[in-house]
Amino acid sequence: DTAVSQTPKYLVTQMGNDKSIKCEQNLGHDTMYWYKQDSKKFLKIMFSYNNKELIINETVPNRFSPKSPDKAHLNLHINSLELGDSAVYFCASSHRGGLNTEAFFGQGTRLTVV
Amino acid sequence: SQQGEEDPQALSIQEGENATMNCSYKTSINNLQWYRQNSGRGLVHLILIRSNEREKHSGRLRVTLDTSKKSSSLLITASRAADTASYFCATDAGNNNDMRFGAGTRLTVKP
Repeated sequence: DTAVSQTPKYLVTQMGNDKSIKCEQNLGHDTMYWYKQDSKKFLKIMFSYNNKELIINETVPNRFSPKSPDKAHLNLHINSLELGDSAVYFCASSHRGGLNTEAFFGQGTRLTVV
Repeated sequence: SQQGEEDPQALSIQEGENATMNCSYKTSINNLQWYRQNSGRGLVHLILIRSNEREKHSGRLRVTLDTSKKSSSLLITASRAADTASYFCATDAGNNNDMRFGAGTRLTVKP
């Protein structure tokens, strides 16, 4: 069974559209994250959710909004897509706090805005 | 904001050689982790070292941590072509323990 799964794997869309990326984890973790990886491979944290509560929200445009229906899911909604949003988006999950904070990552969603 | 910074940005070696990658960070940490990313894939956790540890081993991997210098190194011994990937360090900092990554070191192991 896939531990962290995100869909779709590829997403090509036009500027101005609204799109969503879904993420699910079956590890029983209490914290989920969204990361953006740009063309230079730099990973930037966007959001993390712990028990349905937004913990951090970096300097991310409010066009991006995370939605967590339950602690196993953290979806990413993006409104009014821009060319600069093109990147690979990774979902991850972990146990927050404690001694072991190893994170498990999904396979990524390659978003291309044209 | 970026926390870890890896160097070199790219490293190319022959199979059988050792590969050493370094990571520097800016603030105090609770632990530091190394991850591996194969091209087009997600990150995979390799090893975690706590701030009160100085060295840790896992198979062909050896990680050191120097909190006074705010730096860590990842050594891969007897490298294989299959070790070709990007390697990232990640740190947790402050009270929230959220992970911050650097830009990674791209390792190429030539057969």
